[in-house]
Amino acid sequence: QVQLQESGPGLVKPSETLSLTCTVSGGSVSSHYWSWIRQPPGKGLEWIGYMHHSVRTNYNPSLKSRVTISIDTSKNQVSLKLSSVTAADTAVYYCARDPSNSYPYYYGLDVWGHGTTVTVSS
Amino acid sequence: QSVLTQPPSVSGAPGQRVTISCTGSSSNIGARYDVHWYQQVPGTAPKLLIYGNTDRPSGVPDRFSGSKSGTSASLAITGLQAEDEADYYCQSYDTGLSGYVFGTGTKVTVL
Repeated sequence: QVQLQESGPGLVKPSETLSLTCTVSGGSVSSHYWSWIRQPPGKGLEWIGYMHHSVRTNYNPSLKSRVTISIDTSKNQVSLKLSSVTAADTAVYYCARDPSNSYPYYYGLDVWGHGTTVTVSS
Repeated sequence: QSVLTQPPSVSGAPGQRVTISCTGSSSNIGARYDVHWYQQVPGTAPKLLIYGNTDRPSGVPDRFSGSKSGTSASLAITGLQAEDEADYYCQSYDTGLSGYVFGTGTKVTVL
């Protein structure tokens, strides 16, 4: 059974870089699409970006200039970096898996982490 | 930014049937990309409820069903139960984003 666990600082100062890690157990990050999704307090879900280790990486155009997603196969982890953060980046951040190995259209996000709350404040 | 539009809220009495609409555009649902549905109980992560427009993952009750037509999709909950009270989101793929687009979310209240 695949499980995801997000981790990282809960508080980040404005203009700094938010860094989160998603540790995958029960499966390999070398397959499938791995996404980061966020949810501001009281609001809906926003896709940040996804990465497939050997197929493609794409980011939400609204965040593209500030986002980097990477995969560390040796640690079985997926990482997110979001630079120049502001209060608008305060949210619960989730990592999630799309089980496809071709195109990320068909299966939805079948495994989610519990999420980690990040607050941007000085 | 691309977004899928859902009604903010729907409600029904226990045992009733409710439906949630999800309206997209020619760059997502209308482009024949599949629609998926998630249930989110407040304070918890979303859970996949329907994938590929109509399919249920193992363990999801058959009270939940999905459909899709043109640029829209719908989620139906029959035999509404108190435990169905949650937020529901649709999701698809968008060619403009080259990635995922989510619905605005619908809160289901069991009266």
